[in-house]
Amino acid sequence: NAGVTQTPKFQVLKTGQSMTLQCAQDMNHNSMYWYRQDPGMGLRLIYYSASEGTTDKGEVPNGYNVSRLNKREFSLRLESAAPSQTSVYFCASSEYRGADTQYFGPGTRLTVL
Amino acid sequence: DAKTTQPPSMDCAEGRAANLPCNHSTISGNEYVYWYRQIHSQGPQYIIHGLKNNETNEMASLIITEDRKSSTLILPHATLRDTAVYYCIVRPLRRGGKLIFGQGTELSVKP
Repeated sequence: NAGVTQTPKFQVLKTGQSMTLQCAQDMNHNSMYWYRQDPGMGLRLIYYSASEGTTDKGEVPNGYNVSRLNKREFSLRLESAAPSQTSVYFCASSEYRGADTQYFGPGTRLTVL
Repeated sequence: DAKTTQPPSMDCAEGRAANLPCNHSTISGNEYVYWYRQIHSQGPQYIIHGLKNNETNEMASLIITEDRKSSTLILPHATLRDTAVYYCIVRPLRRGGKLIFGQGTELSVKP
């Protein structure tokens, strides 16, 4: 059981470039999430997908798009990267059973120059 | 979601119990208390959660006061690998609900 995996681990982009961050989970969870974490700050929710086929905005969705490709995979796309999007991005998943505990991936460290 | 208050930092000697407090005086009846930790440069790791009863698992114990306005996370025998930022989070049970991470408590376990 790999849990939640994210690719790539590190990425450097130039302003205006686009890229997609990939996330997959093998726990058969229904819900998936994308957070970002900036230095000295807590995690902030970008988008989430409560179940396959649905996505909703979180606190800081501007500049991002998401795709829930299937139950396992949830991708985050930056169409035109900006320096303000330099951050560490974490993907998480949860099963709506019991306390709906979220499990996190190892993160993608993104730098936009 | 209810707001939580935690001390910004704590020290603990290796092998001793680490007791991390959290105040959540505005907690509602349907809100759970969750604890996560984040070791430097890693993703947050779930530790434990509870509603009103004390809970224990292989990682830690969670003590919730009878009025549910505060709780304590106990790491019974802290090791150097327990050095991390610990987050106390209160939220209701709902599908797709976000976790609101505050500033947490930075626990330093010292030899």
